[in-house]
Amino acid sequence: DIQMTQSPSSLSASVGDRVIITCRASQAISNNLAWHQQKPGKAPKSLIHAASILQSGVPSRFSGRGSGAEYTLTITILEADDFATYFCQQYYTFPLTFGPGTTVEIK
Amino acid sequence: EVQLLESGGGLVQPGGSLRLSCAASQFTFSNYGLTHGMTWVRQAPGKGLEWVSTISGDGVATFYADSVKGRFTISRDTSKKMLYLQMSGLRAEDTALYYCATATGLDFWGQGTLVTVSS
Repeated sequence: DIQMTQSPSSLSASVGDRVIITCRASQAISNNLAWHQQKPGKAPKSLIHAASILQSGVPSRFSGRGSGAEYTLTITILEADDFATYFCQQYYTFPLTFGPGTTVEIK
Repeated sequence: EVQLLESGGGLVQPGGSLRLSCAASQFTFSNYGLTHGMTWVRQAPGKGLEWVSTISGDGVATFYADSVKGRFTISRDTSKKMLYLQMSGLRAEDTALYYCATATGLDFWGQGTLVTVSS
């Protein structure tokens, strides 16, 4: 199974900050990487697929990049609506696996 | 926009069975499902996300997490735009919120249905 790790596990940030979350897979996954956002009590929402392609309607302050086994999610100019938990997920092979999540909290 | 609505969750005793349903609307389920397949993901209370099962775009291939293999069965009815998860031999550790989602990249998610396994 491909193991997914994320760093940091949580962070405190202020509105207007730039936030970078790193996701590492235990092997190369050929950009078969998605990022999902989950707010408390809500279902996850897909933000990015294929490592860097924004889903329709996702604000451009979100961006993804990476290759091989290492990927990042960047939120430029953090907004109040962005405080949530972010999960990376590989779909390169079964079993599909998720990172443990990164919680972005208000400083 | 794609809309997915899960149902069928509830309280069940250990060893019991339950069938979850996922109704798709606002998209051509047959076309999308035929191309991309559908997936079930679960989330235990206060925990992270765990993949459960995927059915392929053509409905021929099914994939399961080791933790549910032999106990859960994924299926779909494209004419009804429905995805199903038949769960049997339920255990306390199956207690979770169950989400259906599209494809393997999980582009769209439902709102989830809660399954509680307890005596």
